Amino acid sequence: DVKVTQSSRYLVKRTGEKVFLECVQDMDHENMFWYRQDPGLGLRLIYFSYDVKMKEKGDIPEGYSVSREKKERFSLILESASTNQTSMYLCASRPNGGANEKLFFGSGTQLSVL
Amino acid sequence: GDSVTQMEGPVTLSEEAFLTINCTYTATGYPSLFWYVQYPGEGLQLLLKATKADDKGSNKGFEATYRKETTSFHLEKGSVQVSDSAVYFCALSDPASNFGNEKLTFGTGTRLTIIP
Repeated sequence: DVKVTQSSRYLVKRTGEKVFLECVQDMDHENMFWYRQDPGLGLRLIYFSYDVKMKEKGDIPEGYSVSREKKERFSLILESASTNQTSMYLCASRPNGGANEKLFFGSGTQLSVL
Repeated sequence: GDSVTQMEGPVTLSEEAFLTINCTYTATGYPSLFWYVQYPGEGLQLLLKATKADDKGSNKGFEATYRKETTSFHLEKGSVQVSDSAVYFCALSDPASNFGNEKLTFGTGTRLTIIP
């Protein structure tokens, strides 16, 4: 069974902390994505990567950075967490072939910043 | 820019009722359209898609038809079950937009609850 695994289901951090959200996929996919999901706003794209060490900003990159040192792993970094970054974070991966290819999602990390 | 508008939820229906969840879109080019579903405690998964006008996507008894003239992609099912309770997201990819070949734009989601 193909899998996108996010390291934590729930995470509680304090304002100003550096936070790492990890995502691993076992499907050898080239493309990986980080979204945040908020009630009434749906899913919004933070960053995506189409190859190792490559990254592109999505619609809401401010306050976030990413790292992709290996093909299977895509990390989202909150350099200095703030309360407005409390959200559900979803990682996804997809093979090459463009946006018509199916996205495979992890089950999400609910981050609370106090 | 691109956008997807879904009907406000939550939607509550009785088992075996007919379901419609409305979705309309705005896009620069000729988008592909998708419905994703999120069951409780899980990530999103693709339900169905349509890549050109008048195409019908279907899966698990759900259907949606790509209507270019009304810029819509409404989700329908003739007889819903309790197991259909989930959040449903309409989405598009627009090759004419920046990185539109790579990313999806999602709607806000519609929570559906089916009662026995």
